[in-house]
This record gives sequence, structure tokens and C-alpha cells, in this order.
Amino acid sequence: NAGVTQTPKFRILKIGQSMTLQCTQDMNHNYMYWYRQDPGMGLKLIYYSVGAGITDKGEVPNGYNVSRSTTEDFPLRLELAAPSQTSVYFCATQGNTGELFFGEGSRLTVL
Amino acid sequence: RKEVEQDPGPFNVPEGATVAFNCTYSNSASQSFFWYRQDCRKEPKLLMSVYSSGNEDGRFTAQLNRASQYISLLIRDSKLSDSATYLCVGGSYSSASKIIFGSGTRLSIRP
Repeated sequence: NAGVTQTPKFRILKIGQSMTLQCTQDMNHNYMYWYRQDPGMGLKLIYYSVGAGITDKGEVPNGYNVSRSTTEDFPLRLELAAPSQTSVYFCATQGNTGELFFGEGSRLTVL
Repeated sequence: RKEVEQDPGPFNVPEGATVAFNCTYSNSASQSFFWYRQDCRKEPKLLMSVYSSGNEDGRFTAQLNRASQYISLLIRDSKLSDSATYLCVGGSYSSASKIIFGSGTRLSIRP
């Protein structure tokens, strides 16, 4: 089992560019999450999904979009990259007893 | 008031010492609590769940005090490898968006 896989691990974007962070899981979990973590800070919830076809906004959704067409995949899209979106992005799934399983993170720099 | 609050530290203690962290939460509806460990530039990983009756896993003991709305983590006989950031998490089974992370407590163990 790979668990939660995120790609890319690193990316540098120019202001205004778009990109998609990929997240896929093989744990058959319904709940999936996208968090961002700025240096020295905690995790902030961007978007979450309780199952295929269902997504909802978290604490900091502005500038991002998500989709959930399958149980396995939960991509996060940045439409117009801004320097404020420089961060580490973590995708996670939630197990039956509430614990979260994280991917290794995607480090994004917007210049 | 933040929903989940932690002392950011850093805690700097000698190897072999006992160290304790507290974490307070404001949402009395929170049902499940966890401690996560995050190494520098890595994803958070589950350290242990926190049960009402308290639970122990080797050198680690977690306690939940619902009346005072705090959870605690005790590390005995600390090792150099315990150096990390410890995140407390409160959540609700019924609301995916209500998994709230504290900002983390940094622990550094010195030889």
C-alpha cells in the first residue's frame, strides 16, 4: 500500500501561472483533505471532501479549487498563483477512528 | 480564542528528562483527539490517539480532561530522536471540517 501519494514534491511557479497538485490514495477512505502549512505555523484547511462528487471549503479556500471524481483522487488547483500561496501543501485521508494519514507534501514557491 | 491552543515552545530539555505539553481546546463538541509528531520538513505522523481514560504507549502518555478542555502529552526518558514538533488535534466524527490542528510545540532534546 502506497497510502497517500502527492505529486509534485517541489514546484516553482511564476505569478499568474496555474497548476494542479495531485493527490491519490489507495486506502479506500472517503474523507480527504488539503492543508497548507506556512513556515513555523500550523496546518490550515483549504478544502475537504467526504466522498466522490462532494467537496467543501475549509478555512482558507480563496485562490484554490478542488474536484473529487473518484474515491482515490483529490487534486488541488491553483488558478492564478500569487506569492502568498508559497507554502507546503499536504493532502490527507481520514481513517475510521478519526486519525489522518498524510502525503509527503508538495513544496510550492511562487516568484 | 483559537480553537486549539498550544504553547509553541521551544522546549529544550536534556536527554533522559521528562517533559509534558498541554493543549487546550474551545469546542466542547470535539469528540476525538490526537497527538501528531512532525519532523522538520516532513509530513505529520500520528503519535497516538487520546482516550478519556488516558492511554500509554511506551514512554508516551496522553491524557484528556474534558471538564477543563485540555489534553496532555507526557514523554518520559526523552531521547534525542524525540526532537520534533508535536501537534495536538481535536475533531468531530460528524463534521469533517472540524478537525482542528494546534500550531505545534517544538521540542529539542540536548545530549
